[in-house]
Amino acid sequence: LAKTTQPISMDSYEGQEVNITCSHNNIATNDYITWYQQFPSQGPRFIIQGYKTKVTNEVASLFIPADRKSSTLSLPRVSLSDTAVYYCLVGASNTGGFKTIFGAGTRLFVKA
Amino acid sequence: GAGVSQSPSNKVTEKGKDVELRCDPISGHTALYWYRQSLGQGLEFLIYFQGNSAPDKSGLPSDRFSAERTGGSVSTLTIQRTQQEDSAVYLCASSLGGLAKPYEQYFGPGTRLTVT
Repeated sequence: LAKTTQPISMDSYEGQEVNITCSHNNIATNDYITWYQQFPSQGPRFIIQGYKTKVTNEVASLFIPADRKSSTLSLPRVSLSDTAVYYCLVGASNTGGFKTIFGAGTRLFVKA
Repeated sequence: GAGVSQSPSNKVTEKGKDVELRCDPISGHTALYWYRQSLGQGLEFLIYFQGNSAPDKSGLPSDRFSAERTGGSVSTLTIQRTQQEDSAVYLCASSLGGLAKPYEQYFGPGTRLTVT
């Protein structure tokens, strides 16, 4: 399983763009990169998933360079409600289920 | 549609007792996962099911922990002879399976277990 490394915490202000980078040097050829968000007292919530280049949805963008050894989650114009822990995961499965390892995550604190 | 549900939402038990936690995944989701999260900590993977089988049980903390899934749906996590260090929130998640989005897991609200 590919190990991931993220910053432990980040601070930002409302309205700013936040970029959280995750390192995964040992990513395998068929691994996907997935990001989750977790608020206190709740289970994680899927944000975005990608394999290469750039993926964008209504919540965030995910940038993946050609070597795929890192990825960057970009949150545009954050608000106070984006304060949460963000987890980066890498892995793959041919059957749909697999051993999922969540790292320590990045605690994002958005200030007014 | 209905999300992942877990029961009970809270469980307080005495040390040494057995507990059973239940997870109802989203209908049609073939993969099911169990995690636990201690206060202020990250998620610890316990086990996953693909259908009714659990290919990898290495995440279970000890032989006091067991899990089963029947009919490709409901799963139960059983902890025997509970210890205080078992106190945590136990989270269940399910996913569609297949190759399209292997990692889009949907999480339940969790069961908060307190062992006194």
